[in-house]
Amino acid sequence: EVQLVESGGGLVQPGGSLRLSCAASGFTFSTYWMSWVRQAPGKGPEWVANIQQHGSEIYYLDSVKGRFTISRDNAKSSLFLQMNSLRAEDTAVYYCARDKEAGATKLDSWGQGTLVTVSS
Amino acid sequence: DIQMTQSPSSLSASVGDRVTITCRASQGISSYLNWYQQKPGKAPTLLIYGASNLQSGVPSRFSGRGSGTDFTLTISSLQPEDFAIYYCQESSKVPLTFGGGTKVDIK
Repeated sequence: EVQLVESGGGLVQPGGSLRLSCAASGFTFSTYWMSWVRQAPGKGPEWVANIQQHGSEIYYLDSVKGRFTISRDNAKSSLFLQMNSLRAEDTAVYYCARDKEAGATKLDSWGQGTLVTVSS
Repeated sequence: DIQMTQSPSSLSASVGDRVTITCRASQGISSYLNWYQQKPGKAPTLLIYGASNLQSGVPSRFSGRGSGTDFTLTISSLQPEDFAIYYCQESSKVPLTFGGGTKVDIK
C-alpha cells in the first residue's frame, strides 16, 4: 500500500523558514516524480513544485520561486520542501503527492497533509 | 499560465441523479486533464487522468470526456459517498493549475 506521511509544519512568523518532509513507503520511490501541493483554508488545491526521479528537472509555481526549494533523498524514500521568506499567503495545508513515472502528471497518491501557518 | 474554469461552482442533486461537471481550459491542452474528488478534511483523490482514463479502484459510474479546451466529468448515478468537491487539473504544462472546484451536495 502506498503511504505518504508529511511532517514539519507549524506556526512561523513572516520572513521565517520551515522544512517539510515526506516519508514514502509501499512503492519504488526512485521511479516516480514527486510533487508538493498546498491548499489554503477554504480554497482549492494549488500545485507548488515537482521534482524528477533523480532531481535533474525541477519546476516551481512562480510565487514560490527563489523562496522554496524541493529536493529528495531516494536512498531514504524522502521528499523535502525548504521554505524560506515565508509570507502570510503561504499559509496552507501542504500535501506531498506521488506524481508520474513518465508522460503527463497524475497525482495518484497523497499524504494527509501538514499545516503551515504564517502569522505574527 | 493556463486558467481552468469549472462550472457550476456548486450543485444540489439527489441519490441516483446523473450529474455532469464542466471544466474549460484557457488554451488547448489536448487530453492533459485530470479530475479529483475531495471530501472534508481529507486530501484529494484521483478519479480520472488523461481526460477519460478511470483511475484504478474508482467506480465505473465516474467517467470523463473531452479534449482541447472543453471537458466533462459525469457521475452516472450519484451515490451517498459521492457528495464532495470535484476539481479538474491541467497536466499540459507547469504550473499545473487546478480549477476552482464544484461542490456537490444533497438536495
